[in-house]
Formats: sequence, structure tokens, C-alpha cells
Amino acid sequence: AQTVTQSQPEMSVQEAETVTLSCTYDTSESDYYLFWYKQPPSRQMILVIRQEAYKQQNATENRFSVNFQKAAKSFSLKISDSQLGDAAMYFCASFNNAGNMLTFGGGTRLMVKP
Amino acid sequence: DADVTQTPRNRITKTGKRIMLECSQTKGHDRMYWYRQDPGLGLRLIYYSFDVKDINKGEISDGYSVSRQAQAKFSLSLESAIPNQTALYFCATSDFSGTYEQFFGPGTRLTVL
Repeated sequence: AQTVTQSQPEMSVQEAETVTLSCTYDTSESDYYLFWYKQPPSRQMILVIRQEAYKQQNATENRFSVNFQKAAKSFSLKISDSQLGDAAMYFCASFNNAGNMLTFGGGTRLMVKP
Repeated sequence: DADVTQTPRNRITKTGKRIMLECSQTKGHDRMYWYRQDPGLGLRLIYYSFDVKDINKGEISDGYSVSRQAQAKFSLSLESAIPNQTALYFCATSDFSGTYEQFFGPGTRLTVL
């Protein structure tokens, strides 16, 4: 079974600064995928970034990047130049083919201070 | 137009009532999922379906049932609602393209009194 842990229930960042959200996971599979989803107050789940486990290069999407440490089973999300619109719940999730399941962490609430 | 829709968006019901949450999608995806979200627990999988004839239990299926009426429609039923089923419910879809990205509906806020 997979588990995903987000150890920071809440984080805050000053507008224009950088913040890193932590995520660790546990899986016995070799083929899996990792995701960060954003949930703003509208409650819509929005995909932020995706990482394939077989790829060594860290994924990047504009101001969002990940630090994928496969041996440590760590998958942190870095948000650069934080904006007020980044305030939301962020969920880390993992998917593996064997389980056909997307397993979510408990979430981190990010607050952005103007 | 939204690709994944859920009805109702909000619902208040009483203990013991039967309730159905509906999900429709226009993305043409084969795979559909139902999750519930509780504070601090993230989203947990209730049921999933890979096609009309394929229904599978997820992590927390007790107290729930589903029906896949068509490729585009996947309904979740609570046969006899209880207060600890108060939660936010999401439907999601995905295809078999290899990216494994799931696309979520807007969610249904269910309150069981």
C-alpha cells in the first residue's frame, strides 16, 4: 500500500518570496507518478505539476518546481515569486500502475501575505 | 463548459435517507473515480471504474455503492446516510494516455444531520 505524508498542515509566505512545501511517500513499486494539486477556496482540484519516477530531471512549470529525491522518497514543491493567487490547499499525491490508485497526503494550507 | 460536472453542488440530508450524487463528463475518458475529502485526511478513494462493466472498490467503500450508467456517467449512492459521511465528494476522470493525470469535478458538499 502507498502512503503519502505532508508534515506541514499550514505554511505562510510573503508575497514575492519563495516557499517550499514538503511531501514524503512510501511505495514498493518501481513505476509510479507523483503529483501536486492545488485546491483554492473555490474547492476545484487543479493539477500544478507532475513527475514521473523514472525521470531524474526535476519537473518545472513556470514558477513551480519540484525537488524529487527518489532514494529518500521525497517530493517537495517550490513556489517562486509567490502571488496572492497561490493561497490554497496543496495536496501531494502518488499513483502507481499496480494499485490503480491515486493516494493523497493530508494537505498543506498555504497563506500568502501581501 | 465544464468537462466534469457534479450534481448537486451542495446537499443537506437527514440520517437514514438515501442520496445519490451524480457525475457526468464530456472528456471521453474511460476511467472514472469517486473520492471523499475530509479535513486533514486529503482525498480518499471510494470506488473506481475503468469501463461500464468494470467497477472496483477503493480504500473506503463501506456504506457506498456506485453505478456506471454509461461511459460518461458515474453515480455514487449512500443507501442510508449517516453523519460521519458528511464530507466533500469529488468525481474524477482519466484516460489511458500514460500521464495518469486525473481531472476533477467541482465537488459536492454533503451534510448529513
